[in-house]
Amino acid sequence: DAGVTQSPTHLIKTRGQQVTLRCSPKSGHDTVSWYQQALGQGPQFIFQYYEEEERQRGNFPDRFSGHQFPNYSSELNVNALLLGDSALYLCASSDDLASYTDTQYFGPGTRLTVL
Amino acid sequence: KQEVTQIPAALSVPEGENLVLNCSFTDSAIYNLQWFRQDPGKGLTSLLLIQSSQREQTSGRLNASLDKSSGRSTLYIAASQPGDSATYLCAVRSGQAGTALIFGKGTTLSVSS
Repeated sequence: DAGVTQSPTHLIKTRGQQVTLRCSPKSGHDTVSWYQQALGQGPQFIFQYYEEEERQRGNFPDRFSGHQFPNYSSELNVNALLLGDSALYLCASSDDLASYTDTQYFGPGTRLTVL
Repeated sequence: KQEVTQIPAALSVPEGENLVLNCSFTDSAIYNLQWFRQDPGKGLTSLLLIQSSQREQTSGRLNASLDKSSGRSTLYIAASQPGDSATYLCAVRSGQAGTALIFGKGTTLSVSS
């Protein structure tokens, strides 16, 4: 079982550009959540996708958007990049039936650097 | 608004010591609390998950306790080893935030041989 996978591993962009990060959930999971972790901070919830729709959103601007595909994989898009968007972006997957009781499984993350 | 605090921010101990990491949360209406381990620049590994109805969970040398009424959890690590060096994150899932996890900033542990 391949767990949660993310691509790319590292990414360098300049201010104002747009970026797309990708996530494949653990086998059997149908729910994908995205988190942003700045250096020295705990992860912060961006949003969650279930049944190809955004079900829940954290306190992030509209520049952050996402998508979930029929195979449950997901993308995170960030437009008009700012220096402050530099962070480790983590994807987590879970089974919706156990969303409130089970752990979320995290991927290795994508390190985004904005210059 | 649920807030999670972890103390201390950093901890250095010699190999073999028993140690305690602390986590506190402001809203006691939680579904569960989790402890994660994070190695530098890596993703999160779940260590222990405690449901709101439970008082503690154990896995090997790790023991986590939960006191919902006081808004506190502790992670006890017995006989620490250099391989335990990592950042330990506490996260709660509460009614305010739906299924999202609310994290503390973590405690960075360094175990010297």
